[in-house]
Amino acid sequence: SQQGEEDPQALSIQEGENATMNCSYKTSINNLQWYRQNSGRGLVHLILIRSNEREKHSGRLRVTLDTSKKSSSLLITASRAADTASYFCAKGQTGANNLFFGTGTRLTVIP
Amino acid sequence: GAGVSQSPSNKVTEKGKDVELRCDPISGHTALYWYRQSLGQGLEFLIYFQGNSAPDKSGLPSDRFSAERTGGSVSTLTIQRTQQEDSAVYLCASSLAILTSEGYTFGSGTRLTVV
Repeated sequence: SQQGEEDPQALSIQEGENATMNCSYKTSINNLQWYRQNSGRGLVHLILIRSNEREKHSGRLRVTLDTSKKSSSLLITASRAADTASYFCAKGQTGANNLFFGTGTRLTVIP
Repeated sequence: GAGVSQSPSNKVTEKGKDVELRCDPISGHTALYWYRQSLGQGLEFLIYFQGNSAPDKSGLPSDRFSAERTGGSVSTLTIQRTQQEDSAVYLCASSLAILTSEGYTFGSGTRLTVV
């Protein structure tokens, strides 16, 4: 599959803990993006990391990219109940004109 | 507009009927994308537009699916002779340009149920 694949498929943590989600891919990318989806509707863009970057931060979010392992991780620190959602990685594949989305990680943060 | 608008938000149709799904992207966004998401699944890419042109239609699941975009703005996804396997949430997104580094802005989707 050309899609990014996330793991775990589901993650349940206590409020205040950190949540880590991983994404793997198979082909060359020029960027990788993470999105959040609430209630199975529209996705919200969270963060983009380019293929020449290794780490990026945005608020409580930290994204890493290892192009040698073809993998990325999204870390949410000090999680809140409001972070409960599905998180998708989307790959900007070299030569393609659209993003390829993975299957998502369903995160549940327990208050 | 301020965001990507999709209509209707929900559509229930009988098997065999045709449906039209509408997407109104952010003003000035030249790129527009359609995805489909089945229950609990990831996003399946259907088609993208650069302006009014759709260079690659290979993502459309069958010849019952078609899409157009007029005036570089509103897009319509049409499904003819709907089947139960067409039931899904259809998501539209737009971006300033193809290969943008700013990510996509998604609409809230149309939940299609074929009975």
